[in-house]
Amino acid sequence: AQSVSQHNHHVILSEAASLELGCNYSYGGTVNLFWYVQYPGQHLQLLLKYFSGDPLVKGIKGFEAEFIKSKFSFNLRKPSVQWSDTAEYFCAVKGGSARQLTFGSGTQLTVLP
Amino acid sequence: NAGVTQTPKFQVLKTGQSMTLQCAQDMNHEYMSWYRQDPGMGLRLIHYSVGAGITDQGEVPNGYNVSRSTTEDFPLRLLSAAPSQTSVYFCASSHYPPPGGSRQPQHFGDGTRLSIL
Repeated sequence: AQSVSQHNHHVILSEAASLELGCNYSYGGTVNLFWYVQYPGQHLQLLLKYFSGDPLVKGIKGFEAEFIKSKFSFNLRKPSVQWSDTAEYFCAVKGGSARQLTFGSGTQLTVLP
Repeated sequence: NAGVTQTPKFQVLKTGQSMTLQCAQDMNHEYMSWYRQDPGMGLRLIHYSVGAGITDQGEVPNGYNVSRSTTEDFPLRLLSAAPSQTSVYFCASSHYPPPGGSRQPQHFGDGTRLSIL
């Protein structure tokens, strides 16, 4: 069975600080990995995704994530956060022939102006 | 092209009442699913469907029923609401993945905020 762990439940940063949100998954085979963002009062939006190829994936709004297979990780990064990045961030995995995504519990990011 | 449409956006029910959360998509997606979102628990899959006439249980199916009579619609029914079902509900859809994996991330609706008193 596939599972996802997001160890940071709440992260608070000042504007211009660098961001790294952890995501570890459990699945023995080929995986598809995703990061979603949910701004206050809005639905989930896809930030970026990894299927194959270059393990460094660039997404929207300056976010990127690196797939490290040996560590079963897919951490989300941004060099300089903005107040508008305040949101909840979800990592998700779909392994092999699985029919659905499995989501992590989410990380609430608060960026202070 | 409206994407995934959920109605209602907000609903308050009394314990024991029944109701149906509606979900419709106009993208001809085979795969549809319902999630609930609770604080600190992320999204948990309730039920899903890989096509009209086919439904299956997810991680937390108890207390919920679904049906898929058309490709477009995937309603979620609460037969007898309980306070534990207070949550935000998201419907999602995507093209059904081919064997070996999906390249189609899911499209989400705006959510239904449900409170059970």
